[in-house]
Amino acid sequence: AQSVTQPDIHITVSEGASLELRCNYSYGATPYLFWYVQSPGQGLQLLLKYFSGDTLVQGIKGFEAEFKRSQSSFNLRKPSVHWSDAAEYFCAVGISGGYNKLIFGAGTRLAVHP
Amino acid sequence: DVKVTQSSRYLVKRTGEKVFLECVQDMDHENMFWYRQDPGLGLRLIYFSYDVKMKEKGDIPEGYSVSREKKERFSLILESASTNQTSMYLCASRPGGGPYEQYFGPGTRLTVT
Repeated sequence: AQSVTQPDIHITVSEGASLELRCNYSYGATPYLFWYVQSPGQGLQLLLKYFSGDTLVQGIKGFEAEFKRSQSSFNLRKPSVHWSDAAEYFCAVGISGGYNKLIFGAGTRLAVHP
Repeated sequence: DVKVTQSSRYLVKRTGEKVFLECVQDMDHENMFWYRQDPGLGLRLIYFSYDVKMKEKGDIPEGYSVSREKKERFSLILESASTNQTSMYLCASRPGGGPYEQYFGPGTRLTVT
């Protein structure tokens, strides 16, 4: 069965530090992969997506993610975190066919210390 | 910009009430989705619709029904609300076909007492 694992429930970093959020997926075919961010009390906003091609994808707000097929991973990175990045982050895999449903991970809550 | 709106940000209902959550999108998207979000569980798909009057069950449809009479509007119905349906409900839409991303509304936080 398809699944997405985000091993870290909570992460705390200092402002200006680098960030990496982990995401592992289980899916038999070529995945479509997404990272979404949810600020408190808000809906989800798309940060970036991977469909094919270059395995390093750039997104909004200075985020990037790298698709590693051999590790079934799609980790999210940012070189220097800002206080406004405090939010919850969700990784998702798109299931091709079946109306392209998304399977979400449980989320990682990021706290940023000044 | 794609805009997905939900009728209420916060809603408080009593056990046994019939509850309607409304979602409207303005981008002529074919596909619409209802999720519930609970801490530690991420987003779980309740129902989705791939066209007007067409619907499919998601992973947790029990206790819910949906209606899509017009392309832009997708309603989630709790026939008889229960306390275990207290949650955040998120609506999303996307174009049909292809691996397009989903666009989300701001969510409705429902409390059933």
